[in-house]
Amino acid sequence: DGGITQSPKYLFRKEGQNVTLSCEQNLNHDAMYWYRQDPGQGLRLIYYSQIVNDFQKGDIAEGYSVSREKKESFPLTVTSAQKNPTAFYLCASSMGGLAGTQETQYFGPGTRLLVL
Amino acid sequence: AQSVSQHNHHVILSEAASLELGCNYSYGGTVNLFWYVQYPGQHLQLLLKYFSGDPLVKGIKGFEAEFIKSKFSFNLRKPSVQWSDTAEYFCAVNPGFMGANNLFFGTGTRLTVIP
Repeated sequence: DGGITQSPKYLFRKEGQNVTLSCEQNLNHDAMYWYRQDPGQGLRLIYYSQIVNDFQKGDIAEGYSVSREKKESFPLTVTSAQKNPTAFYLCASSMGGLAGTQETQYFGPGTRLLVL
Repeated sequence: AQSVSQHNHHVILSEAASLELGCNYSYGGTVNLFWYVQYPGQHLQLLLKYFSGDPLVKGIKGFEAEFIKSKFSFNLRKPSVQWSDTAEYFCAVNPGFMGANNLFFGTGTRLTVIP
């Protein structure tokens, strides 16, 4: 069963803690993405990776970090520097390609992060 | 700033009513266009997409969308909604001159269908 899995579904964080959100895909996609979804604001890109061992900042990367050591995995760490981390986090993947290619991003089920 | 606009924030319809959700964007040139749907408690799913060719595209569950280049629009339509269509709908645009990682989303439209 191919797809994107994210864990956990819900995550609670105490003030000052770093937490890591997991994203795994078995679609053999090169590109992976992290988005943040807030009510009334749609999705905003945090980080993306087009290939293993490479990643780029998106529109709202401050307070977040990522790694891409394996093609299948793209974990996101929400650091204590992120001042407003409570949100719904979505991971996505696509085949990966150059500008002008026609691609579709597919999304995982999301992780809801709550700060206590 | 270039953007994607969904002007309807919350739409409430009775079952069997017709639906049209607006989506306008401000990117010039070739664009790839998407509608995603997020049902309550479920993940974001692709509803339909337009890359090229016939500007009227059909998606899953009876939805369709029309790309009107001159109006920079990609409105979503369904002739007769069902209670199960209650969800949040997101329009997304990938400017063709950018890589696929540049997918810009509208703020979403919440659709509530009353039985």
